[in-house]
Amino acid sequence: DAGVTQSPTHLIKTRGQHVTLRCSPISGHKSVSWYQQVLGQGPQFIFQYYEKEERGRGNFPDRFSARQFPNYSSELNVNALLLGDSALYLCASSRMTGSYEQYFGPGTRLTVT
Amino acid sequence: QQPVQSPQAVILREGEDAVINCSSSKALYSVHWYRQKHGEAPVFLMILLKGGEQKGHDKISASFNEKKQQSSLYLTASQLSYSGTYFCGTEIGAGGGGADGLTFGKGTHLIIQP
Repeated sequence: DAGVTQSPTHLIKTRGQHVTLRCSPISGHKSVSWYQQVLGQGPQFIFQYYEKEERGRGNFPDRFSARQFPNYSSELNVNALLLGDSALYLCASSRMTGSYEQYFGPGTRLTVT
Repeated sequence: QQPVQSPQAVILREGEDAVINCSSSKALYSVHWYRQKHGEAPVFLMILLKGGEQKGHDKISASFNEKKQQSSLYLTASQLSYSGTYFCGTEIGAGGGGADGLTFGKGTHLIIQP
């Protein structure tokens, strides 16, 4: 079975621009979570979606938004990019919301200049 | 609250054992363990739910002490492939639910030398 896929792999943007990151979960998984990982730190929770609804949100500004589609894939949008948004953005897939295993995709490396 | 992992780093010879600890000041519902190699995504190792059970596969096992709000990851007879950064991700709350996502520690860097 295919694992979690994310696109693009790498992205370079300029301050003030917006970006859209995409994620496809493991087949049969209905929940997608987004995490931000800066160098030297553990992943930090941004959003969780289940059945196209937002189920949880971490401590991130409103510049960050996301959505989940009927096929359970998801998009993370970040507006008005700041230098501090440079990070590895990880998507995690799980069967359902709750205490289930979360499997991470390869991530999107975002660099803001 | 971010869980505290210890040690921050450890260097071992191939074949030696290691223990990595993860402590929280909040009541935990579950603990998730991951290994991440440089430039790669975290790889899921195991999940422990409230109840104090111990899990393991191959030479990697983990325990969850509900009273101490602490989990430990045990690596037995370490192999070169075990090198990487180990993260614990914690889920807080009596009811689980997962809506708050996982809160990760800062990681433990494990280096296995031949």
